[in-house]
Amino acid sequence: NAGVMQNPRHLVRRRGQEARLRCSPMKGHSHVYWYRQLPEEGLKFMVYLQKENIIDESGMPKERFSAEFPKEGPSILRIQQVVRGDSAAYFCASSMQGRDTEAFFGQGTRLTVV
Amino acid sequence: DQQVKQNSPSLSVQEGRISILNCDYTNSMFDYFLWYKKYPAEGPTFLISISSIKDKNEDGRFTVFLNKSAKHLSLHIVPSQPGDSAVYFCAALSLGNEKLTFGTGTRLTIIP
Repeated sequence: NAGVMQNPRHLVRRRGQEARLRCSPMKGHSHVYWYRQLPEEGLKFMVYLQKENIIDESGMPKERFSAEFPKEGPSILRIQQVVRGDSAAYFCASSMQGRDTEAFFGQGTRLTVV
Repeated sequence: DQQVKQNSPSLSVQEGRISILNCDYTNSMFDYFLWYKKYPAEGPTFLISISSIKDKNEDGRFTVFLNKSAKHLSLHIVPSQPGDSAVYFCAALSLGNEKLTFGTGTRLTIIP
């Protein structure tokens, strides 16, 4: 009964490259959330997805960031043309429908832009 | 616009004593409040939650108190153990708007 799986755990990208972060939710979970934690800050909501649908993307930067949760496969958070300010820990959480008060988090992907 | 605030970035407590972590919020529409514990290089782990219609919820060594009039909640850990050393995040949720709003965290250190 694997938990929420995120990969890679660590990702280093040069400025201008693309970063792809993957999240496989817990078995039976159909809701996925992405959060970002900047150094010395709390987690900030980015986007909430269900299978093939973006429900709430109010926390996503308007440019360069996109997310998807296809019918098959993991959820992907994609950051195009990364900049130094994108360096952060990105956490994915998943929950069962109707039980969103106890979302389970993955271990996170630490993105470093050099 | 910090809707959930944890004003103490760090707290040190002697092993065996009570740890009290505080959290304030500004949005009276929150329906649930949650506490998460986070070790370095790991994701947050859910600890305990409380509905806005309650004022106390207890689970083993962990008790959360909610004071709606003061828009304040606290997490009590008693007795504190070395394994409790971690960063604790307070979070809030509005039903129907499923995103969690987190505080900035309090680093708890339990002194043996």
